[in-house]
Amino acid sequence: AQTVTQSQPEMSVQEAETVTLSCTYDTSESNYYLFWYKQPPSRQMILVIRQEAYKQQNATENRFSVNFQKAAKSFSLKISDSQLGDTAMYFCAFMSLKAAGNKLTFGGGTRVLVKP
Amino acid sequence: GAGVSQSPRYKVAKRGQDVALRCDPISGHVSLFWYQQALGQGPEFLTYFQNEAQLDKSGLPSDRFFAERPEGSVSTLKIQRTQQEDSAVYLCASSLSRGSNQPQHFGDGTRLSIL
Repeated sequence: AQTVTQSQPEMSVQEAETVTLSCTYDTSESNYYLFWYKQPPSRQMILVIRQEAYKQQNATENRFSVNFQKAAKSFSLKISDSQLGDTAMYFCAFMSLKAAGNKLTFGGGTRVLVKP
Repeated sequence: GAGVSQSPRYKVAKRGQDVALRCDPISGHVSLFWYQQALGQGPEFLTYFQNEAQLDKSGLPSDRFFAERPEGSVSTLKIQRTQQEDSAVYLCASSLSRGSNQPQHFGDGTRLSIL
């Protein structure tokens, strides 16, 4: 079974600064997807960015980028030019391509607080 | 609707009561997932439907948990004889198909509190 670990329970950052969230995972599979989801107090999980394991190029989405190190099984998220609206819980998630239905395995989350 | 809709948003029940949580997926979405999120933790997979077929129920914690999707659209998660450890947010997600390039769209969840 896959496991996803987020070692930082909480991170704070000044508005306009950069913050990096760490995520490590454990799997024996060679092809899979990795995701970062944002969960504001409204509880809705919002997809931030995703990475296909067979692609070496790191994914980017506007101010969000990842550092994917497949050999190290590491998948960190960098938030640049942090905005107050980025305050939320952030979850790293793994998707096996072997499991029926592509269910997600989530980490425990990192709370990000952006300070004005 | 435009997104995944879950009801009720909040549910309070006494220990031992049965509860039913509803999920309306995005129209046309084939895949539907239920997750359980305990306070301060990440969501954990409960069960998965492809249309009306329940293809994976490996995450259901006990036989008190039952899910159905009889017409391949709306899904209901039922918990019988509720216990305090069932208190959590229950999230529903849907995706267009099983394909790995299809993102899961989540609802706002139902917060269940067992007294």
